[in-house]
Amino acid sequence: AQKITQTQPGMFVQEKEAVTLDCTYDTSDPSYGLFWYKQPSSGEMIFLIYQGSYDQQNATEGRYSLNFQKARKSANLVISASQLGDSAMYFCARGSTGFQKLVFGTGTRLLVSP
Amino acid sequence: DVKVTQSSRYLVKRTGEKVFLECVQDMDHENMFWYRQDPGLGLRLIYFSYDVKMKEKGDIPEGYSVSREKKERFSLILESASTNQTSMYLCATWTGDSNQPQHFGDGTRLSIL
Repeated sequence: AQKITQTQPGMFVQEKEAVTLDCTYDTSDPSYGLFWYKQPSSGEMIFLIYQGSYDQQNATEGRYSLNFQKARKSANLVISASQLGDSAMYFCARGSTGFQKLVFGTGTRLLVSP
Repeated sequence: DVKVTQSSRYLVKRTGEKVFLECVQDMDHENMFWYRQDPGLGLRLIYFSYDVKMKEKGDIPEGYSVSREKKERFSLILESASTNQTSMYLCATWTGDSNQPQHFGDGTRLSIL
């Protein structure tokens, strides 16, 4: 099975610091997309950022950026200037052929302390 | 904004009951999905639908069925609920544009006693 691996079950960061959440993936598809979602304790899944496999530049959305290293098959999420409200589960996902089916990693729980 | 509404946030049912989880979207998206989420396993795809009355099995379809009679509504059915189906269930929709994400509902926490 083509997997998504998030090796960090939990991460701690202090408010205002930057944090990197790791994600590596398997794929044999020449074209694919990578997505990051945030899930607060309330349960909803919130889309954060997208990277296409052919995009030349790393994606950025406000305080979120994606460190995409295609040859290493990694797509790490960088959160700058962490806020208390960033405490949540974070999931990396890859879109398969046709992008209809997303394969998710097991998630990383981020705790931001004052 | 895309609105995906799941009928219940919390649901408690008994073993052997037939359980319906409903999902409604207001954005005319062709594609709809049902996932279940368990600790340490992430989200796993149960079924998806790319058109009315069309459905395809995901990675873990056993014990589930789905119904899509109208474009805006996608139902997940547990024919005879079992305790190992206690989980968080998430519905999602997607436009079909590869640059766009799937949009999720708030989830249903289902407990089977």
